[in-house]
Amino acid sequence: GESVGLHLPTLSVQEGDNSIINCAYSNSASDYFIWYKQESGKGPQFIIDIRSNMDKRQGQRVTVLLNKTVKHLSLQIAATQPGDSAVYFCAENLDKAAGNKLTFGGGTRVLVKP
Amino acid sequence: DTAVSQTPKYLVTQMGNDKSIKCEQNLGHDTMYWYKQDSKKFLKIMFSYNNKELIINETVPNRFSPKSPDKAHLNLHINSLELGDSAVYFCASSQGRGLYGYTFGSGTRLTVV
Repeated sequence: GESVGLHLPTLSVQEGDNSIINCAYSNSASDYFIWYKQESGKGPQFIIDIRSNMDKRQGQRVTVLLNKTVKHLSLQIAATQPGDSAVYFCAENLDKAAGNKLTFGGGTRVLVKP
Repeated sequence: DTAVSQTPKYLVTQMGNDKSIKCEQNLGHDTMYWYKQDSKKFLKIMFSYNNKELIINETVPNRFSPKSPDKAHLNLHINSLELGDSAVYFCASSQGRGLYGYTFGSGTRLTVV
């Protein structure tokens, strides 16, 4: 999810369907990636992370896929629920010399239709 | 029992004023951060402290000064507030300087009028 112009890209999904949120990251040297969920009026909430020595990691209803060849990260949400409506951010540790510094992508808004 | 707590949640103030935002974490983490989220939802790091030592200081106006009295607290003081400072400011913490996810606070919405 990179921001396009002034508006967040939006993914509309029917309740019960699967969602796929995409993110292109910046630096081929980044070795740690995280997905965050931000609900309205709240802070970003950790969903799942993945290190560069893996290409897939699964959590509860979520799967993160990492394709280092094309610098692409995706988050799959199974059986999307109304509570999944939020803005989703990918983050990478872009500047490893600065320690645990996470750089965030522009975000994707997910709207779940009942 | 909030993990990362920020105060105040809302702050409305006039241009030129000086204000502070406080952050406390009870997770036992030793690294804390300040992020700014603009109206387009873009999150950008401002500062990071590890055990009271400043380790990340992004290109931020000198009017912004962080202060960490101990590893559980990181405050943000802003002098001579400007309209462009209006944003949501998030505090976060993580364990160590390695590769770990952050825990964020619920944010402080600053509105400068």
